[in-house]
Amino acid sequence: QKEVEQNSGPLSVPEGAIASLNCTYSDRGSQSFFWYRQYSGKSPELIMSIYSNGDKEDGRFTAQLNKASQYVSLLIRDSQPSDSATYLCAVKGTGGFKTIFGAGTRLFVKA
Amino acid sequence: DGGITQSPKYLFRKEGQNVTLSCEQNLNHDAMYWYRQDPGQGLRLIYYSQIVNDFQKGDIAEGYSVSREKKESFPLTVTSAQKNPTAFYLCASSDGAQLYEQYFGPGTRLTVT
Repeated sequence: QKEVEQNSGPLSVPEGAIASLNCTYSDRGSQSFFWYRQYSGKSPELIMSIYSNGDKEDGRFTAQLNKASQYVSLLIRDSQPSDSATYLCAVKGTGGFKTIFGAGTRLFVKA
Repeated sequence: DGGITQSPKYLFRKEGQNVTLSCEQNLNHDAMYWYRQDPGQGLRLIYYSQIVNDFQKGDIAEGYSVSREKKESFPLTVTSAQKNPTAFYLCASSDGAQLYEQYFGPGTRLTVT
């Protein structure tokens, strides 16, 4: 069974700090990696996609991918209370259209 | 506005009744998906469709059925055979085979008593 693992948290950081969210995956051939933000009671919202090794930055968000280690992370700089949410890591494996979602990490940003 | 709509937002049914959840998208996406989310758990794939008139079972298809008669629409029926139907149901779509970025509708919260 192909898996995507995340620490469930909660991860608590003070306002203005860097939040670091981590994800590992089991399918070594995976090519597409996504981070979604989900507020309580709402649907997931795509915030970052990354397809090649290295870093990808978008505003306060940086996604990092290391395929050799089967590891993908999301850094949130200058964390704000509005960033408090559950962050889902998703991985599209080899073949077909299926994307596997992790169970998510809950992030709390304290004002 | 382009997007994905799901209706209704909340749905209550008695055990033993079938219920159909609506999903419509105007993003011109080829692929559509149905997921189920239970409290504290990740998304589990129920069904997906890559093209009109074609769909595949996901990981937890038992007790569910779908149709894809139009590109824009992918309704999900929760049948009485589904043992634990109470959950948050999410519909998503993606742009063909290139990016696989999935965009979600607002969800339908189904409660069966």
